[in-house]
Amino acid sequence: DIQMTQSPSSVSASVGDRVTITCRASQGISSWLAWYQQKPGKAPKLLIFTASSLQSGVPSRFSGSGSGTDFTLTISSLQPEDFATYYCQQANSFLALTFGGGTKVEIK
Amino acid sequence: QITLKESGPTLVKPTQTLTLTCTFSGFSLSTSGVGVGWIRQPPGKALEWLALIYWDDDKRYSPSLKSRLTITKDTSKNQVVLTMTNMDPVDTATYYCAHRPNFGVVSPFDYWGQGTLVTVSS
Repeated sequence: DIQMTQSPSSVSASVGDRVTITCRASQGISSWLAWYQQKPGKAPKLLIFTASSLQSGVPSRFSGSGSGTDFTLTISSLQPEDFATYYCQQANSFLALTFGGGTKVEIK
Repeated sequence: QITLKESGPTLVKPTQTLTLTCTFSGFSLSTSGVGVGWIRQPPGKALEWLALIYWDDDKRYSPSLKSRLTITKDTSKNQVVLTMTNMDPVDTATYYCAHRPNFGVVSPFDYWGQGTLVTVSS
């Protein structure tokens, strides 16, 4: 199975900071990657699909990049509503749809 | 708009079989390429994909749980049912169902239900 490893597991940042989260696949997955945001007690929300496509309605401060094994989610200027946990997911249904372990973005 | 809602028992005993129902609206599971998946999340832990069923009844399962899972659909009722056998306390989690759009082979889950917490305890 493909393993998805996120780093860091948590990050402390201030409003206005640029935040970058990394997701690494144990084998190449082309651009088959999605990113989700989850707030406490809520269902995940889709942010990015096919590694870099922004889901409708998601602010443009969110961006995704990468292909193969290494991917990044960047928040260009952190806003108060962005404090949450972020998950990457391998999205090719011919393989197990594995999620990463999550990255918690906390207030500094 | 697309909505999904999970229903089922909140408490099951060890060794019992869990049956969860996802009732959805705003889309049809007879539309080409569309799917519904199940994902769970133990308290304080990460998301774990469980199963996925497509419009054409193609089914995919998590390799680590495949022997315990069955996913079915009732297109006329707009429902997807997940059964998980031989429940254990480690299966205590919030269980979500989610819509998978027709983006081809590579699609995310773009709409999620609110989730239902299932506790496994004697």
